Amino acid sequence: EPEVTQTPSHQVTQMGQEVILRCVPISNHLYFYWYRQILGQKVEFLVSFYNNEISEKSEIFDDQFSVERPDGSNFTLKIRSTKLEDSAMYFCASGGEGGGYTFGSGTRLTVV
Amino acid sequence: EDQVTQSPEALRLQEGESSSLNCSYTVSGLRGLFWYRQDPGKGPEFLFTLYSAGEEKEKERLKATLTKKESFLHITAPKPEDSATYLCAVQAPRNTDKLIFGTGTRLQVFP
Repeated sequence: EPEVTQTPSHQVTQMGQEVILRCVPISNHLYFYWYRQILGQKVEFLVSFYNNEISEKSEIFDDQFSVERPDGSNFTLKIRSTKLEDSAMYFCASGGEGGGYTFGSGTRLTVV
Repeated sequence: EDQVTQSPEALRLQEGESSSLNCSYTVSGLRGLFWYRQDPGKGPEFLFTLYSAGEEKEKERLKATLTKKESFLHITAPKPEDSATYLCAVQAPRNTDKLIFGTGTRLQVFP
């Protein structure tokens, strides 16, 4: 069964450092998303991406965040200058025309 | 404001003891309601999508139903391997396809 692959599974970074979280969506999907889940809290929408541009972003997705689909297969989330409160599980998801989302297993980001 | 509320927060069942999880939602113009299963440290795993009141879907021991205000996930004769957090999410209307999640119900099934 097709799956969304995320790397790394766990990333530890120092406050103020840049991190890039990587995702390989399902190959024939057209819609790409990043969500995050702070420990013990809800899964929260960050950003959606379609046709090589951001289609929607949440209030959380400020200027410190950016997304890119550099080579037609990978989908990345960059956090420019990490803060302690960025510590969370980050989930990539992809969706096809028929609706429905497939989530990856997530990257646990720990900012120290 | 669009909201999703799940209850109970946690549920402990004996193996074989059937029960239901509730998802109440407030959204103007529901486009879809999703149920996911989440194991610890993993991403949400898709279970069902429901689109209109009265719709029902089944998969093994799980059955999801939808009304205009809430959805239920019925678990019949659960097994220990059904232990997980079950998440409900709604797809907000018009010009957006983001999902709004509830906090989930943590289910533990004991042998």
